[in-house]
Parts: sequence; structure tokens; C-alpha cells
Amino acid sequence: EVQLVESGGGLVQPGGSLRLSCAASGFTFSRCWMYWVRQVPGGGLMYVSRINNDGSFTTYADSVKGRFTISRDNAENTLYLQMSSLRAEDSAVYYCARGGPNHAFDVWGQGTKVTVSS
Amino acid sequence: EILLTQSPGTLSLSPGERATLSCRVSQSLNSVYLAWYQQKPGQAPRLLIYSASYRATGIPDRFSGSGSGTDFTLTINRLQPEDSAVYYCQHYTTSPEWTFGPGTRVEIK
Repeated sequence: EVQLVESGGGLVQPGGSLRLSCAASGFTFSRCWMYWVRQVPGGGLMYVSRINNDGSFTTYADSVKGRFTISRDNAENTLYLQMSSLRAEDSAVYYCARGGPNHAFDVWGQGTKVTVSS
Repeated sequence: EILLTQSPGTLSLSPGERATLSCRVSQSLNSVYLAWYQQKPGQAPRLLIYSASYRATGIPDRFSGSGSGTDFTLTINRLQPEDSAVYYCQHYTTSPEWTFGPGTRVEIK
């Protein structure tokens, strides 16, 4: 079964850091581009970051550039998102997703919730 | 900046009816990069349609997508109770990369 399982979310103070993980199974992780997408309370979905299959190419949404770092460990089939200098507006459910056909996201994890609050 | 507008905000229909959901883009785009997702309460989004009209793996043929340029449509035929969800359109372009619409809520009476 193709599966993505996120972990690492929680409550963090403004200015703090958090690292999210996404464990992949059921497919050849090392061949796939991977993504982080977040969803704020009320529904809005927003692309956060992407990484190519070997980790040599990454991009970020402007709102997280310089604060978030995406990475992957293909030996461990795991995707990461290191988040620092967190702000209240970063509070959301964070999903990892697999890159699908023509820039769609064809597999999603169940999400991990991040709350930035003092 | 590319904006995606979805209408209506909420659609309330009976089982067996047809739902027609609209996604309008602020500038003409390559329909190859237009996708639709379904999200049920407490669940992650699920890919329904990619490239405007191609069903993703395992998606029933009751779901269909169409459109080009600035106007795209998701049609759900023969509505079933399990189709109750929020539906999002999404587009990719080189900048600002991925953009999602605000969603249409489909309620089954």
C-alpha cells in the first residue's frame, strides 16, 4: 500500500523551531519528487516546498524562504521539513505529498498539526 | 499573481443529481497543469483529476473534468452520500508555482 505518514508536529513558541518527518512506503521513494503543503484552519491550502528525487534541487514558497529547509534521506525513505523562526501564521496542518502527473500531488499523508503560539 | 476563484461556495444537492463546480483562473493558463482534489472532513486531500480532464487512479467515472484557458469545470454525476466533501482546484505555473482555489463545499441532502 502506498503510504505517507507525517510526524513531528506540535506546539511551539514564536521564533522557535520544529522538524517534521514524512515516512514513505509502498513505492520507490528515491524516484519521486516530494512536497510539503500546508492547510490553515478554515481550509486554505498552500504549497510550501518541493525537493527533487535525489535532493539536489529544492524550491520554497516566498513566505517560508530562508526559514524552512526541505531535505530527504532516500536510504530511510523519509522526507523532512526543518522549520525555524516560526511565526503564528505558520500554524497549520502540514501534509507531505508525492509528485504526480503534470505537477499534481497524487498521494498525501494524513497531516501533522503545527501550532505556533506563546 | 494568479488567482483561482471557485463557485459556488456551497452546493446542496440530492443523491442522484449532478454537481457542476467551477474554477476560474485570473489569467489564461496551460490546462495541462490544472488539477482537482476532494477533501472529506478530517482527511487529507485526494487527487481526482489532473491535466484538467484525466481521472486519477481509482477515481470513479462519475467524476469528470473539462475546460481550458480560464474556465474549468468539475462534474460529479449521480451524486452519492460519500461525495459530501470540499473540492479544490489547483494550478501549477513556473511562478508562483502551485496555487489552490478556496474550495467548493458539496453537501448531499
